[in-house]
Amino acid sequence: EIVLTQSPGTLSLSPGERATLSCRASQSVSSSNLAWYQQKPGQAPRLLIYGASSRATGIPDRFSGSGSGTDFTLTISRLEPEDFAVYYCQQYGSSPGTFGQGTKLEIK
Amino acid sequence: QVQLQESAPGLVKPSGTLSLTCAVSGGSISSNNWWSWVRQPPGKGMEWIGEIYHRGNTNYNPSLKSRVTISVDKSKNQFSLKLSSVTAADTAIYYCVKIIGGYGYMDVWGKGTTVAVSS
Repeated sequence: EIVLTQSPGTLSLSPGERATLSCRASQSVSSSNLAWYQQKPGQAPRLLIYGASSRATGIPDRFSGSGSGTDFTLTISRLEPEDFAVYYCQQYGSSPGTFGQGTKLEIK
Repeated sequence: QVQLQESAPGLVKPSGTLSLTCAVSGGSISSNNWWSWVRQPPGKGMEWIGEIYHRGNTNYNPSLKSRVTISVDKSKNQFSLKLSSVTAADTAIYYCVKIIGGYGYMDVWGKGTTVAVSS
């Protein structure tokens, strides 16, 4: 199965700053079948990005995804207070679908 | 807008069988989507358990395949998960999830239900 490694484990930033989250795959992710999810405490994950770079319905344009092959990035251009959460990447190109271990984005 | 709601069994005894149901509202389970279960142990990341299509086609995570059964009940617009021979390692929040047919990403999640395995 494809192992996804996210870095950093924790990212401490201030509102208004730019956040860059990384997701590296152990093998190439076919057809850029990679998604990003946001999870807040006590809530279910929410789809942010699919197909590596397409925003899901209702997701603000400060969220953007990029990458292909084995290296993917989620960028939040200007952090809002509600963006502080845990972010997971997931590949769905090969079965079983797998998730990264998450990056916690915390307020500095 | 499709919504998903997991049933809430709460506590399961070791070596027993965990049974969950996910009710689908706002849409038909017979639509061109896959219906899936994902779990998250306390304080940890997520694990895909398996998925089903309304025609009965299933895919399971190889790590759980010998213990998992996912089924669909079109008359009730719901799908179910059974996980046998549970241990404390199966303690987790269980989410039911809708997967976009033909694509594979998870666009709708239930709120999740906590299942604890304990005697």
